[in-house]
Amino acid sequence: DAGVTQSPTHLIKTRGQQVTLRCSPKSGHDTVSWYQQALGQGPQFIFQYYEEEERQRGNFPDRFSGHQFPNYSSELNVNALLLGDSALYLCASSNWGGGTYGYTFGSGTRLTVV
Amino acid sequence: AQKVTQAQTEISVVEKEDVTLDCVYETRDTTYYLFWYKQPPSGELVFLIRRNSFDEQNEISGRYSWNFQKSTSSFNFTITASQVVDSAVYFCALSDDQTGANNLFFGTGTRLTVIP
Repeated sequence: DAGVTQSPTHLIKTRGQQVTLRCSPKSGHDTVSWYQQALGQGPQFIFQYYEEEERQRGNFPDRFSGHQFPNYSSELNVNALLLGDSALYLCASSNWGGGTYGYTFGSGTRLTVV
Repeated sequence: AQKVTQAQTEISVVEKEDVTLDCVYETRDTTYYLFWYKQPPSGELVFLIRRNSFDEQNEISGRYSWNFQKSTSSFNFTITASQVVDSAVYFCALSDDQTGANNLFFGTGTRLTVIP
C-alpha cells in the first residue's frame, strides 16, 4: 500500500521564480495538508485541502497557493520566491472528519532558493 | 495561543543508555491531542503516539514510554536501552480547537544522537 508520495524530492530555484510541488495521498485518504519546515525548525502548517477546496490556512502569504484534484492529489504553488522560502515542504494526507488521526506524512520536497 | 516547547535542542547518549525527551505545551482548550513524531534523515515524519487530553494514562510500547501530566502540561518521551537506529529528530506536537483540530502545531524538535 503506497504511502504519501511527493515530487520532486529536491529542487533549486532562483529568487523571483515560481515553483509547483506535488503530492499524492495515501490510498483511501481524501484530505491533503501542506507544511513548511525550515532548517532546524518544526513543520509549520500552510493549508489543507478537501473536496478540491482550501478548508484551512495557516499564517502564510498569498504567494502560497494550492490545488486539489478529483483524484485527491494536490499541488502547492509558491510565486515570487524569496530566499526565506528555502525549506523542506511536507505533505500529509488523512481522512476528512478524522482530524489528525491517521495523519500520514510524505518524505518531502527540499526547495532551495538561490 | 498554543505553544509547544522542546527545550532540549540536541541530546547525545551512548548506546543502551535511557534517554528522556521533554515536551511542555500550552493551550486554552480542554480538549486537545498530543503527539510525538520521529524524523529520520530521510525526512518523513513517522508517527509514534497520539494522546487525548482526557487520557492521562502513561503508555509503554516496547522500548518507548510516554508520561503525560496535565498538572505540569508535560508530555515526556523516554527511550529505554537506546539504539543507534533511534538517532533522529523527535517532534512533539499539539492539535486543538485553535489549530482547527485538523492540523498540528509542532515544537522545534530534539535531535537525538545515539553513539555506538
